[in-house]
Amino acid sequence: DAGVTQSPTHLIKTRGQHVTLRCSPISGHKSVSWYQQVLGQGPQFIFQYYEKEERGRGNFPDRFSARQFPNYSSELNVNALLLGDSALYLCASSLDPGGAYGYTFGSGTRLTVV
Amino acid sequence: EDQVTQSPEALRLQEGESSSLNCSYTVSGLRGLFWYRQDPGKGPEFLFTLYSAGEEKEKERLKATLTKKESFLHITAPKPEDSATYLCAVQAGGSNYKLTFGKGTLLTVNP
Repeated sequence: DAGVTQSPTHLIKTRGQHVTLRCSPISGHKSVSWYQQVLGQGPQFIFQYYEKEERGRGNFPDRFSARQFPNYSSELNVNALLLGDSALYLCASSLDPGGAYGYTFGSGTRLTVV
Repeated sequence: EDQVTQSPEALRLQEGESSSLNCSYTVSGLRGLFWYRQDPGKGPEFLFTLYSAGEEKEKERLKATLTKKESFLHITAPKPEDSATYLCAVQAGGSNYKLTFGKGTLLTVNP
């Protein structure tokens, strides 16, 4: 059974550029959350979507946006990239938004901004 | 604001040497406390969710416990393959289901 799939696995972008990260949840999972993990820190919440609607937003600037598609996959978009956006971006899926059966994380997308 | 503090930051054990990791938290109405394991370059792997003080859960050599202010992850007779970063996260009550993570404890088990 496939887990949470994220693409691409690695990405190098230049300051000021735009990036789109993609996530496919576990089959049957309707909730997708995005987290940013800077080296040496725990993951920090960015967004949660459930049934294609935004259910939560963390303390990130408006340069960060996301959406969820009818098949429950999701995209995270970041505009006007800064050096500080370099991090591991994690997607987590769950059956319900509260994670009653746990949140399953993907392996992440490593974004490097130069 | 929800806060999670994990200690120690790093822990080195010999194979078979049992120990505990600590997770102290402040949250406005705890919905759940989550433990994850993370290997280098990978996403966190779910271990346990605890919901109320006094609750305990076990999985192989790991046992998690919860009080009103902290949680412990007890590791009994660890093996080198238990080496990883262990992350603790809290989820508050309300309509926002975000997880607030601590910085983690890097556990190294030497053979």
